[in-house]
Amino acid sequence: DAKTTQPPSMDCAEGRAANLPCNHSTISGNEYVYWYRQIHSQGPQYIIHGLKNNETNEMASLIITEDRKSSTLILPHATLRDTAVYYCIVRVTLNFNKFYFGSGTKLNVKP
Amino acid sequence: DADVTQTPRNRITKTGKRIMLECSQTKGHDRMYWYRQDPGLGLRLIYYSFDVKDINKGEISDGYSVSRQAQAKFSLSLESAIPNQTALYFCATSGGGFREGQGTQYFGPGTRLLVL
Repeated sequence: DAKTTQPPSMDCAEGRAANLPCNHSTISGNEYVYWYRQIHSQGPQYIIHGLKNNETNEMASLIITEDRKSSTLILPHATLRDTAVYYCIVRVTLNFNKFYFGSGTKLNVKP
Repeated sequence: DADVTQTPRNRITKTGKRIMLECSQTKGHDRMYWYRQDPGLGLRLIYYSFDVKDINKGEISDGYSVSRQAQAKFSLSLESAIPNQTALYFCATSGGGFREGQGTQYFGPGTRLLVL
């Protein structure tokens, strides 16, 4: 599976959009981009995933560049409860055992 | 009720003791996983199971064993606990099939283990 690179931490003002970047320059054509978050040692929570098209759900939007070498997770109106570590994971869906979490980005949402 | 539950949520044990961590799920998923997380680090896969008769080692299986008692239950055992097994342990499940998104994993709340 492709490696991912994320900034170790980011700040965001409450109510503003949080844009979390992820680089995955070695991604291959059949690899999906997944985003999870972990709030203070709780179990990781699934947010969203995509292959090449932009995706949106009730939690967030995922923007994948045309060359698929990077992506951005967007939380449109961040709240204090969105403070968490966000993980970007690239994997082939068929490889159920290969779901490697890196060190992620710590998002601090401030009042 | 939570879809993936873990018991106990916290456990303190002594070096050399055998302990078991249990995971149950009501999602009807075939695949189950055990991970550990150390402070400030990501998750590392210990064992995974595709169904009741299929058990596979992950990247850090030494010192651990598992049992898949039923589709809904997957237990992790530390045969002889040692201090460097102090960590946060997570169970996860995922659905089968090869359609987009079927590999999404859903995690339990975790078990915090301290080995003295």
